[in-house]
Amino acid sequence: NAGVTQTPKFQVLKTGQSMTLQCAQDMNHEYMSWYRQDPGMGLRLIHYSVGAGITDQGEVPNGYNVSRSTTEDFPLRLLSAAPSQTSVYFCATRGDPGDYGYTFGSGTRLTVV
Amino acid sequence: AQSVTQLGSHVSVSEGALVLLRCNYSSSVPPYLFWYVQYPNQGLQLLLKYTSAATLVKGINGFEAEFKKSETSFHLTKPSAHMSDAAEYFCAVRDSSASKIIFGSGTRLSIRP
Repeated sequence: NAGVTQTPKFQVLKTGQSMTLQCAQDMNHEYMSWYRQDPGMGLRLIHYSVGAGITDQGEVPNGYNVSRSTTEDFPLRLLSAAPSQTSVYFCATRGDPGDYGYTFGSGTRLTVV
Repeated sequence: AQSVTQLGSHVSVSEGALVLLRCNYSSSVPPYLFWYVQYPNQGLQLLLKYTSAATLVKGINGFEAEFKKSETSFHLTKPSAHMSDAAEYFCAVRDSSASKIIFGSGTRLSIRP
């Protein structure tokens, strides 16, 4: 049981490049989400999904796209990377809708130069 | 809108001393509140949660938190600090839409030998 798996762990991009951060879970959780973590700002929600085929925006969605074609996977796409997107990205899932304990992946550290 | 404020971005205590990390919340609905811990280079892990049952909530690793409605507080405590408690701690509140949780900016806890 791997829980939440994020790949890659580290990535360096040039401004304007695109890439996809992968998130996979094996807990059959309906809810999945992406956060970014920046120093002194805590975690900010980018996008979330309450089930396959359903996605919604969080508080900082600009510059990012998501899709949810399966329960297991929730990729985050950076369309045209900018230095402001340098951050640590976390995928988090939740099982029972009444249980708000999230399970986090170990993160992807992204640097945009 | 729901929010949490963590007082003190950095707290330092001696090993064996009381740990007190402060969190105040703002919520337009009865709050669900959480404390998460993040060890270096790892994702977040749920310490404990308050979901309108007992006001004193016990979590993992000897931590507990008390919900005080009159003070809009949910402070995290541990009677005796251990070196392994050094980490960053995040307070969080469930959003009124119940679709996500909102994190505070975090408190880094250091333990002095």
